Amino acid sequence: DVKVTQSSRYLVKRTGEKVFLECVQDMDHENMFWYRQDPGLGLRLIYFSYDVKMKEKGDIPEGYSVSREKKERFSLILESASTNQTSMYLCASSLGDSLAKNIQYFGAGTRLSVL
Amino acid sequence: AQTVTQSQPEMSVQEAETVTLSCTYDTSESDYYLFWYKQPPSRQMILVIRQEAYKQQNATENRFSVNFQKAAKSFSLKISDSQLGDAAMYFCAYRSKGNAGKSTFGDGTTLTVKP
Repeated sequence: DVKVTQSSRYLVKRTGEKVFLECVQDMDHENMFWYRQDPGLGLRLIYFSYDVKMKEKGDIPEGYSVSREKKERFSLILESASTNQTSMYLCASSLGDSLAKNIQYFGAGTRLSVL
Repeated sequence: AQTVTQSQPEMSVQEAETVTLSCTYDTSESDYYLFWYKQPPSRQMILVIRQEAYKQQNATENRFSVNFQKAAKSFSLKISDSQLGDAAMYFCAYRSKGNAGKSTFGDGTTLTVKP
């Protein structure tokens, strides 16, 4: 079974703090994704990566950065957390680019509260 | 940019009945992938069914099937013989082809199954 592990289920941070959300997958997947999920807004793509050290902006990259130094790990960084970044963050990975390989496997999510 | 619209924020169905969740999308691409994902309450998102745009035949996975109308840019999900375990939020998703293809999700439809 594919396993996508997010380091924290719940996080509480203060405004202005630097926040790291970590995601690890154990199936040698090429692609990794970070989404945020807000009620009524669905999932919105923040960043994704299709290879080590490669990253692409999603729909809402402002205020976020990412790091992918190793294939299995994709980190989301909030340089200076703000209250409007309070949300559920979902990490996902997929094997590659074909219909069978494009299935995304999701982590359990990290619920971040910024006070 | 691609957009995905799920026009039904909430749906309900009686156990053992059939329900259809709607999804429309907007794209200028000719080949792409479409997915339905399920997010049960407090549980991880999982794939329900997937379709490649160039394939005319509608995908089927047990009680789940899609009605893919490429010209109309419509990708609805039909759940037959609904079960209590089908209660979840369902997301329609679009993915461009290619390694750098972006992924876009709809806002989700919350399905309630009544016993």
